[in-house]
Amino acid sequence: GAVVSQHPSRVICKSGTSVKIECRSLDFQATTMFWYRQFPKQSLMLMATSNEGSKATYEQGVEKDKFLINHASLTLSTLTVTSAHPEDSSFYICSAAASQSNYGYTFGSGTRLTVV
Amino acid sequence: GNSVTQMEGPVTLSEEAFLTINCTYTATGYPSLFWYVQYPGEGLQLLLKATKADDKGSNKGFEATYRKETTSFHLEKGSVQVSDSAVYFCALDTGGFKTIFGAGTRLFVKA
Repeated sequence: GAVVSQHPSRVICKSGTSVKIECRSLDFQATTMFWYRQFPKQSLMLMATSNEGSKATYEQGVEKDKFLINHASLTLSTLTVTSAHPEDSSFYICSAAASQSNYGYTFGSGTRLTVV
Repeated sequence: GNSVTQMEGPVTLSEEAFLTINCTYTATGYPSLFWYVQYPGEGLQLLLKATKADDKGSNKGFEATYRKETTSFHLEKGSVQVSDSAVYFCALDTGGFKTIFGAGTRLFVKA
């Protein structure tokens, strides 16, 4: 079945540094990938929709200069948290869809980011 | 707009008890409905889905029926196990490439 690999699973970084999270579709081509953020004991909040070869579409309230998304190929999207601060500490999850349909998406295993 | 409402947790049950997690939705058109499960420290996994009214999704002993008349998609399992302890998310998709999630319901199953 469809597999999405997300790395790293955990990262601790110092305040002010940048962190890159990768999301790869392993056995299918994903024209669209999604990045979510999940706060403790809360649901997933869609941050942005990543389209291969074009700019990402950000949800209202998400800082596009802080959360840089690149979808350079049909199997890879990256989320870079720039100049990270402790309030950026969260669980970030990506998902991907192989084609447009009323269909469940495949999720990565998530990245726990801790900014100290 | 589209939304999903699910019962607040946590839900605590003893092993082999019957489980129901309520989920209702508001949507324009004819959405597909999903239940996802998130085990501790992991991402979400699709548990089951239903794409049209009266469809029943099932997997690993879990079931949910798409009820258009009551706009509901309640999750049930006849006999829960400790390994079912997780957070369960109800979700809908209207086909516009955006999945709307409920707030999640945490389930604890005691041995």
